[in-house]
Amino acid sequence: GDSVTQMEGPVTLSEEAFLTINCTYTATGYPSLFWYVQYPGEGLQLLLKATKADDKGSNKGFEATYRKETTSFHLEKGSVQVSDSAVYFCALSDQGFQKLVFGTGTRLLVSP
Amino acid sequence: GAGVSQSPRYKVAKRGQDVALRCDPISGHVSLFWYQQALGQGPEFLTYFQNEAQLDKSGLPSDRFFAERPEGSVSTLKIQRTQQEDSAVYLCASSWTSGNPEQYFGPGTRLTVT
Repeated sequence: GDSVTQMEGPVTLSEEAFLTINCTYTATGYPSLFWYVQYPGEGLQLLLKATKADDKGSNKGFEATYRKETTSFHLEKGSVQVSDSAVYFCALSDQGFQKLVFGTGTRLLVSP
Repeated sequence: GAGVSQSPRYKVAKRGQDVALRCDPISGHVSLFWYQQALGQGPEFLTYFQNEAQLDKSGLPSDRFFAERPEGSVSTLKIQRTQQEDSAVYLCASSWTSGNPEQYFGPGTRLTVT
């Protein structure tokens, strides 16, 4: 079945450092790809998405590019802030968008 | 409403008790999903409704789990004879239609079975 693998955390960075969180997927067909973020004490929020190969999703300085050839959707940000500290989940959905398949999450800790 | 709401936010149940978890989706959203999130893990799909029809219940872990959405709006997830392994956060999400990839999540209900 479909699956998502993302790097284990925690990822610990200093403010203004460059962030990469790796995500790879296994799926039949052409899934849509997502990054969700969960801030402490809050629910899951959609951060960005890409629905076809070579699409780049972006939001709040975060970016991820749908790479079909490497089945990857790595999350990047050029300069992280303390407020970016959260758990980040990579996810996919099939072409019918009838459910999301999530990775295990990566905790990001940013220190001043 | 402004977002997806869930109640209760926290529930403690003794093993063997029945529990009912409620989800109020965003008004007008046709699709509704339930997920289970164990500690330190990503959410896992339980079941999916389109309006009042339950189109996929392949993720329900046992026949002790039952979900309904009788009028195509509010949904209830019921767990009978709770077991310790049922302890998790139960998340509800909704979206405009099954053809829209964006799901909006509620805050979750944290269930602890003692």
